[in-house]
Amino acid sequence: GIQVEQSPPDLILQEGANSTLRCNFSDSVNNLQWFHQNPWGQLINLFYIPSGTKQNGRLSATTVATERYSLLYISSSQTTDSGVYFCAVQETSGSRLTFGEGTQLTVNP
Amino acid sequence: GAVVSQHPSRVICKSGTSVKIECRSLDFQATTMFWYRQFPKQSLMLMATSNEGSKATYEQGVEKDKFLINHASLTLSTLTVTSAHPEDSSFYICSARDRGGGRYFGPGTRLTVT
Repeated sequence: GIQVEQSPPDLILQEGANSTLRCNFSDSVNNLQWFHQNPWGQLINLFYIPSGTKQNGRLSATTVATERYSLLYISSSQTTDSGVYFCAVQETSGSRLTFGEGTQLTVNP
Repeated sequence: GAVVSQHPSRVICKSGTSVKIECRSLDFQATTMFWYRQFPKQSLMLMATSNEGSKATYEQGVEKDKFLINHASLTLSTLTVTSAHPEDSSFYICSARDRGGGRYFGPGTRLTVT
């Protein structure tokens, strides 16, 4: 099956800093999503971005499908941004969504 | 936006008993529902995929007789953990897909088996 690798696994920032999270995948996809899992476990959908660039407030994401990677940018980070960020992809050949191992983000005040 | 609910949010049961977890799509019809399991500090692992009115498709290594999935309607899927053991303690998350292909996740159910 498809492999999804996220980096870095852990990231510690001071409030106000910017960060870039990366997701590499091993095969063609027809769906790529970024999620934020809050401390209570709820998955919050950030972006549906199989290709191109999208922005939503302080967050933006870019997927370069031909090179099989996606980036999530967080600007002016806040303590409420803390949590685990997951990238998940759906192969063109199936319906399952495969998750990466996540990036644990900690934003300190 | 589309909402998926899970019930219960948290459950503690004794070893050997069975536990049922419900997943409901509240404002849309879910053609497909997915069940995931997440152990502490790990990623989500897909357990099974279910389509309304048909048998679930289980991922390799997931025991279908232990994790019973019923997708009886377009808004409800249930996961029953039978004869639960402490190693089944985990965070169980369902996801529902609507007719347009959108995916929505429930808030999860934390199962503790004592």
